[in-house]
Amino acid sequence: NAGVMQNPRHLVRRRGQEARLRCSPMKGHSHVYWYRQLPEEGLKFMVYLQKENIIDESGMPKERFSAEFPKEGPSILRIQQVVRGDSAAYFCASSDRDRQPRETQYFGPGTRLLVL
Amino acid sequence: KQEVTQIPAALSVPEGENLVLNCSFTDSAIYNLQWFRQDPGKGLTSLLLIQSSQREQTSGRLNASLDKSSGRSTLYIAASQPGDSATYLCAVRPAGTALIFGKGTTLSVSS
Repeated sequence: NAGVMQNPRHLVRRRGQEARLRCSPMKGHSHVYWYRQLPEEGLKFMVYLQKENIIDESGMPKERFSAEFPKEGPSILRIQQVVRGDSAAYFCASSDRDRQPRETQYFGPGTRLLVL
Repeated sequence: KQEVTQIPAALSVPEGENLVLNCSFTDSAIYNLQWFRQDPGKGLTSLLLIQSSQREQTSGRLNASLDKSSGRSTLYIAASQPGDSATYLCAVRPAGTALIFGKGTTLSVSS
């Protein structure tokens, strides 16, 4: 059973470009979380999605950031018009939330975004 | 607002030493608490998960305790090895929401 997969692992963008980060959850998992780790900071929750639904986006910046988890295919975190402050590691986690409160989130290897 | 604090921020020990990492949280209303390991440039590996009704969990040389009423958890590592060098993250899960992380303790074990 493959773990959580994220691609690309490293992404370089110039200011003003768009960044698309992909996350494929573990097989059988239908819940996806996105977290961001800024330099010298802890991981911060961004958004929680189920298939075709955004459940909690309280951690998402109000502008330029969006996320989706379509019925088919990976979850996508999209950052429009990137700025240098978006440089960070973006982690995706998946879970089989039906097992809560024993839910365990399994993390992917992350995408390191560098904005020049 | 839930906040998670980890002390110390960094720790250096010689191989073979037993050590304790500390985690504190401000709101005791949590589902569970989880300890992760993060290697440089890598993702997170879950080490131990303690449910709110439990007091401790053990896995090999690792033992994690939880005192929910005082908002504290400790991760005990016995007989440390150079391969234990990594950043250790503590995270709590409030009811119905995502994980809230501390900033981590970076451990260096020298041979």
